[in-house]
Amino acid sequence: QKEVEQNSGPLSVPEGAIASLNCTYSDRGSQSFFWYRQYSGKSPELIMSIYSNGDKEDGRFTAQLNKASQYVSLLIRDSQPSDSATYLCAVKGGKLIFGTGTRLQVFP
Amino acid sequence: SAVISQKPSRDICQRGTSLTIQCQVDSQVTMMFWYRQQPGQSLTLIATANQGSEATYESGFVIDKFPISRPNLTFSTLTVSNMSPEDSSIYLCSVEDLKGANYGYTFGSGTRLTVV
Repeated sequence: QKEVEQNSGPLSVPEGAIASLNCTYSDRGSQSFFWYRQYSGKSPELIMSIYSNGDKEDGRFTAQLNKASQYVSLLIRDSQPSDSATYLCAVKGGKLIFGTGTRLQVFP
Repeated sequence: SAVISQKPSRDICQRGTSLTIQCQVDSQVTMMFWYRQQPGQSLTLIATANQGSEATYESGFVIDKFPISRPNLTFSTLTVSNMSPEDSSIYLCSVEDLKGANYGYTFGSGTRLTVV
């Protein structure tokens, strides 16, 4: 079983729609959860971090965490073509472990 | 957030040679992390570099192949030794970033290595 799992996609959404990205993890002792965006040929950049169950909002982004279900998600509202990228979920227990990423395509 | 300067940004190297990658951080950090991202894959942690002690390597990575230096709290190098085409990858350094409201890990711009 992979430690951090994501659907590789691509996830295609029209401009203005909500994009929903999902991630599951295996280590119940994980304490910190991160979403990164990576454009092709660039390094990952942090979008959000979340530590407690529930929702955390930052602008058009909302991270959701459910530790009981070992599930973390990222919602992107009003998706823009510039949001087209690979989104990496990362989970920190003892060390930081990355999922394989979901490629998001936002079409006009 | 922390700013990391990583170089070189890319290189093409001959099989059997070595390449040293440098990362300079604009603030003092306890730990620096080195990752590898193979084409189309996610990030895999190679090792954690602490100042004043030997680096801690992850399973599958050894010091002879990936020696690391950490001479001070703002700088680290990773050497990829005796390279083969399988070492072609993007190598990234990272630091734990405690500044700002969004705690997380910041990455350098990456080194794209091609071994021929």
